[in-house]
Amino acid sequence: AQTVTQSQPEMSVQEAETVTLSCTYDTSENNYYLFWYKQPPSRQMILVIRQEAYKQQNATENRFSVNFQKAAKSFSLKISDSQLGDTAMYFCAFREYGNKLVFGAGTILRVKS
Amino acid sequence: DSGVTQTPKHLITATGQRVTLRCSPRSGDLSVYWYQQSLDQGLQFLIQYYNGEERAKGNILERFSAQQFPDLHSELNLSSLELGDSALYFCASARSSYNEQFFGPGTRLTVL
Repeated sequence: AQTVTQSQPEMSVQEAETVTLSCTYDTSENNYYLFWYKQPPSRQMILVIRQEAYKQQNATENRFSVNFQKAAKSFSLKISDSQLGDTAMYFCAFREYGNKLVFGAGTILRVKS
Repeated sequence: DSGVTQTPKHLITATGQRVTLRCSPRSGDLSVYWYQQSLDQGLQFLIQYYNGEERAKGNILERFSAQQFPDLHSELNLSSLELGDSALYFCASARSSYNEQFFGPGTRLTVL
């Protein structure tokens, strides 16, 4: 079974600084997707960024970028120029082609002014 | 706004009762997924429907059932409720099993 591990229960960062959230996963598959979801206090699940396993290039969405290391099964999220609105729970998720999402336990990120 | 709607937003009920949660997927999406988010279990997949048929099952209790109707909306039925069923229940929809899932706002269920 696939598992997703987020080893940092909580993180904090100063406004305008950069923070990296860690995620590792376990799978025997070669084709899959990886995601980072943000869950603010409103509880809405918001997709932040996605990465296809077959793509070598790391995905980037504005201030959000990933470091995808397929051999190491590692998928970290870097948030640059952190903003107060980035305060949320962040979930790393894995999905095989055509399959359900498997989530990590989440990392609470607090951005301080 | 993801385009996925869920009703009701909040539900408070007593142990032993039965409730129905409703989900309307985004226009054109054929696949509906149900997830449960609880303090104990985190976010976990319950069940998936595709165009009216059950496609995959996860950690769904026998007391829970779901269906997807011809108009593609889906309902999750929870019966003989226990305190531990208190959770946030999300519905997500996608064009197909291979496309990105969009999440609804969730239904918060409290069992007293």
